[in-house]
Amino acid sequence: QVQLQESGPGLVKPSQTLSLTCTVSSGSINSGTYYWSWIRQPAGKGLEWIGRIYTSGSTNYNPSLKSRVTISLDPSKNQFSLKLSSVTAADTAVYYCARGDIPFIWGQGTMVTVSS
Amino acid sequence: EIVLTQSPATLSLSPGERATLSCRASQSVSTYLAWYQQKPGQAPRLLIYDASNRATGIPARFSGSGSGTDFTLTISSLEPEDFAVYYCQQRSNWPYTFGQGTKLEIK
Repeated sequence: QVQLQESGPGLVKPSQTLSLTCTVSSGSINSGTYYWSWIRQPAGKGLEWIGRIYTSGSTNYNPSLKSRVTISLDPSKNQFSLKLSSVTAADTAVYYCARGDIPFIWGQGTMVTVSS
Repeated sequence: EIVLTQSPATLSLSPGERATLSCRASQSVSTYLAWYQQKPGQAPRLLIYDASNRATGIPARFSGSGSGTDFTLTISSLEPEDFAVYYCQQRSNWPYTFGQGTKLEIK
């Protein structure tokens, strides 16, 4: 069973870039034709789809974040990554990585706090 | 962007009762609607996809229905572990969006 694990700094200063990595285990990121996604959830609030990357490398970003988001694949490491620039307190959230348009497989989530 | 509105915001029921949760879309999403269950400190768990298909390992007491703009998640007889927050999600148009959630709490 494929598993996903997010990693990255838990604290980011305002105006800096948030960088997270999702490591795929028990399966190849290149096997099958999947979208690999980042989804976030502020504390006590709902879910927001940040963006996704296809196994071909094509991407779709949420227009509300598009100018600040980059999602990339690194098949050599079996990972995909999220970069979110110019962060503010509003970007404080649990960040999840997930597989597919109908995510059945999710990472456990990683809490990122934006604070000086 | 398609807005999904879930109702009620909170549903108070007892184990053994039937739960009916609603999700309404601001425009048609055909049957491209999924339901998730989320418990505190956990990632969402896929229950239903494409409006009415149960995900692998999901008990038969969970069922989904609807098409177009109106959808329903039904839990036929509540078990203690079913008390959680439920979200609907559409994949008809990008950006994919979630509803704001329905909290199912023990009465």
